[in-house]
Amino acid sequence: DGGITQSPKYLFRKEGQNVTLSCEQNLNHDAMYWYRQDPGQGLRLIYYSQIVNDFQKGDIAEGYSVSREKKESFPLTVTSAQKNPTAFYLCASSAQGNEQFFGPGTRLTVL
Amino acid sequence: AQSVTQLDSQVPVFEEAPVELRCNYSSSVSVYLFWYVQYPNQGLQLLLKYLSGSTLVKGINGFEAEFNKSQTSFHLRKPSVHISDTAEYFCAVAGSYIPTFGRGTSLIVHP
Repeated sequence: DGGITQSPKYLFRKEGQNVTLSCEQNLNHDAMYWYRQDPGQGLRLIYYSQIVNDFQKGDIAEGYSVSREKKESFPLTVTSAQKNPTAFYLCASSAQGNEQFFGPGTRLTVL
Repeated sequence: AQSVTQLDSQVPVFEEAPVELRCNYSSSVSVYLFWYVQYPNQGLQLLLKYLSGSTLVKGINGFEAEFNKSQTSFHLRKPSVHISDTAEYFCAVAGSYIPTFGRGTSLIVHP
C-alpha cells in the first residue's frame, strides 16, 4: 500500500537535546513538508522540499533543521535552539499542484 | 499571496441536523481548494477538492462543497451529520506550490 509513515508516534525530549523525527513516503511524490500543530493555531509550515537535495524554510523554521538526501525521506531535527518544541508534528507529501497526503503524526513532549 | 479564513472556530450541532462550515480565501492566481478532516491524534485526510470544472464538489462521508468565485468562498456542507463526524476540519488553498491552511473548525456533534 502506498502511503506516508512517521516515527515514532510519541517522543520525549530532555531540555538541551536534539531529536530527529522520521518521515518516509512511497508515493513517488516530489514535494514533502513538515508542519507543527498547536491547539487553536492550525498548521504552521516549518520546512518544505520540492526536490531531492533542496529544501526551503517555512514560516517557523527557527530551531529546526531538515535534509532531503532521498526522494522517499525527509527527516526533521528539533534542535536545542527550539525553545518550545512540545507540539504535534505532521509530515506530508504531494505531487505538484495537488492535494497533500499526511502521515499519522509524532507527538513531541519536552520533559 | 494567498490566505484562508475559516469563520467559525467551533460549530456545535445535533445529530442528524445539517451543517455548514465556512471558508473564505484570497489569492492573486487561479486556485485549487481543499477540505481536510482530522480526527484526534491523527493526520489529516482529504475530504474533497476543487481543481476545475463543476463548482459543486462531492467528497467522502457525504460531504460536499461549493466553489463560489465571486464570493471567494468554498463552504463545506453535509445534510445530516453523525456522531462520527465530530472532528477538526481544515480548509486549504493552493494557488502556488505551497498550500495555505485555515486555522480549523471544530465540529462537535451532540446526540
